[in-house]
Amino acid sequence: EVQLVESGGGMVRPGESLSLLCGASGFTFDDFGIHWVRQSPGRGLEWVAGINWNGRSEALADSVKGRFTIARDNAKRLVYLQMNSLKAEDTGLYYCAKAVGGLYSGSHLWGQGTPVTVSS
Amino acid sequence: EIVLTQSPGTLSLSPGERASLSCRASQSVISDFLAWYQQKPGQAPRLLIYDASSRAPGIPDRFSGSGSGTDFTLTISRLEPEDFAVYYCQQYGWSPFTFGPGTKVDI
Repeated sequence: EVQLVESGGGMVRPGESLSLLCGASGFTFDDFGIHWVRQSPGRGLEWVAGINWNGRSEALADSVKGRFTIARDNAKRLVYLQMNSLKAEDTGLYYCAKAVGGLYSGSHLWGQGTPVTVSS
Repeated sequence: EIVLTQSPGTLSLSPGERASLSCRASQSVISDFLAWYQQKPGQAPRLLIYDASSRAPGIPDRFSGSGSGTDFTLTISRLEPEDFAVYYCQQYGWSPFTFGPGTKVDI
């Protein structure tokens, strides 16, 4: 069964850091890009970051550039989202999603998300 | 950054009716790299359409996508009860890969 499982969410204070993990199973992991998308409570979807199959090409939303980084370890079938200097507006449910193909493609299969709360 | 505008904000219809949802981009979406997603309360989004008109695996053929450039449409030919949800478009031709604000389809 194709599955994505996010972990690492939690509650932190503004300015602190969190590392999110996306674990994958059931497909050839290093054939596909992976995206992170977040959703604030009661609001719409916001694309956060994406990475291509070998980790050599990545993209970040303007709102997180300079604070978040994305990386992957194909041997471990993991994608990481390192979030530094967190702000209240980073609060939300963070989903990882398997791309249809490479980095420049839609998000085919999604995990159930991991919640992040940034509050003083 | 490409801004996506979805209309209408809410679409009130009945089962069996046809739904047409619009997504307009502030500039041309390269290679028609546009997707449509369905999201129900408490669930992760579900990919319906990618590359503007390609149906994702397992998606019923009552869902279809069309359009190119800056104007795109998701059509649901005959609404089923399980189709009442929020629908988002997303462009992935230019980074950042922006989403529209969504259209809610309700009864």
